[in-house]
Amino acid sequence: DTGVSQDPRHKITKRGQNVTFRCDPISEHNRLYWYRQTLGQGPEFLTYFQNEAQLEKSRLLSDRFSAERPKGSFSTLEIQRTEQGDSAMYLCASRRSDSTEQFFGPGTRLTVL
Amino acid sequence: AQSVTQLGSHVSVSEGALVLLRCNYSSSVPPYLFWYVQYPNQGLQLLLKYTSAATLVKGINGFEAEFKKSETSFHLTKPSAHMSDAAEYFCVVSVKGGYNKLIFGAGTRLAVHP
Repeated sequence: DTGVSQDPRHKITKRGQNVTFRCDPISEHNRLYWYRQTLGQGPEFLTYFQNEAQLEKSRLLSDRFSAERPKGSFSTLEIQRTEQGDSAMYLCASRRSDSTEQFFGPGTRLTVL
Repeated sequence: AQSVTQLGSHVSVSEGALVLLRCNYSSSVPPYLFWYVQYPNQGLQLLLKYTSAATLVKGINGFEAEFKKSETSFHLTKPSAHMSDAAEYFCVVSVKGGYNKLIFGAGTRLAVHP
């Protein structure tokens, strides 16, 4: 059973650059979530997909952020014109439709210089 | 709206001592409640969950938690701490009937000393 995978694991970028992260959920999981975790805090919800449909977005997700799940399998999270405040761990989680348990990936740590 | 408060950002216990991590929640509807653990340089892992069945929930690695509606609490306990229990622990709430997005507490870092 392969778990949730995320790529890259680490990303260092300069302010103003665009970055894209990828999440591959567990294969039979049709629900997918993105969260953001800053130092010393618990993760905060960003967005939710049911299959390919993005059904909920947090107010944390400014218009510089966009997420997709084009075929209901993997998902991407893009941040345009990065700011230092975007530095955080970005976590992806997935679950089956008949379960409450979300399985988390290892995260992508973003550092904006 | 739902929220979670974890009392104590850092807890330190001796190996073999009782572990008690406190969590209080706020929810306008019956919640689902979880405890997740995050070991250093590892992803979040589910310890246990409450989904309206038994109020005393047993999880992995000897942990358990009791749902007390009257106190809006979901404290995590383990009778005897082990060095390998050192980690960050998150109390989490989600809402039944919604999209089950998770709302995390700020976390409690557990240190276990010999």
